[in-house]
Amino acid sequence: DAKTTQPNSMESNEEEPVHLPCNHSTISGTDYIHWYRQLPSQGPEYVIHGLTSNVNNRMASLAIAEDRKSSTLILHRATLRDAAVYYCILRDVVRGYGQNFVFGPGTRLSVLP
Amino acid sequence: EAGVAQSPRYKIIEKRQSVAFWCNPISGHATLYWYQQILGQGPKLLIQFQNNGVVDDSQLPKDRFSAERLKGVDSTLKIQPAKLEDSAVYLCASSLPLNEQFFGPGTRLTVL
Repeated sequence: DAKTTQPNSMESNEEEPVHLPCNHSTISGTDYIHWYRQLPSQGPEYVIHGLTSNVNNRMASLAIAEDRKSSTLILHRATLRDAAVYYCILRDVVRGYGQNFVFGPGTRLSVLP
Repeated sequence: EAGVAQSPRYKIIEKRQSVAFWCNPISGHATLYWYQQILGQGPKLLIQFQNNGVVDDSQLPKDRFSAERLKGVDSTLKIQPAKLEDSAVYLCASSLPLNEQFFGPGTRLTVL
């Protein structure tokens, strides 16, 4: 029931930029776009989130299309430690203070040395 | 800052047996989540607590799964009786309200 679609897998060379796409054509006006990643044998970890404007943090950048129906996670220089499954998630708010995350299968990113 | 703690890390049981998982969230985090992650899939939210109250348990199979957070801090998730299809990693996460979630390392359950 994931509301986002992502490629199953992508490859990148080390130290090159990576653009991970996500489509969310049914996004509503109040849905935040969240990205998490899951390294092997670990729980997911937060990467970045945004609503309408592009966002930057120390880990990545998030580019959001003007119509908000798609977004792209940008890793500026991929390292071997960035090899993980990346999840694009639309966050619903439940009862005003809870949040509903629906994880899809994500994109498995491989980084080649 | 200590992260989310979970125990045990691994558990192997026979079908029809019972099992319980424990989670200690990050100090001060009012919201606690339990997820089930089957191999090759993304995590699926089972239940969400705000302090000791349930926010959402719509995806919890209530005939066999139960969860509690009695004092608004630690939480336990129980399966009774277990089925083969319950084999999965059970992840606990915590957050401040409407903030990023911090996940624990998970408990890998194998049901034989």
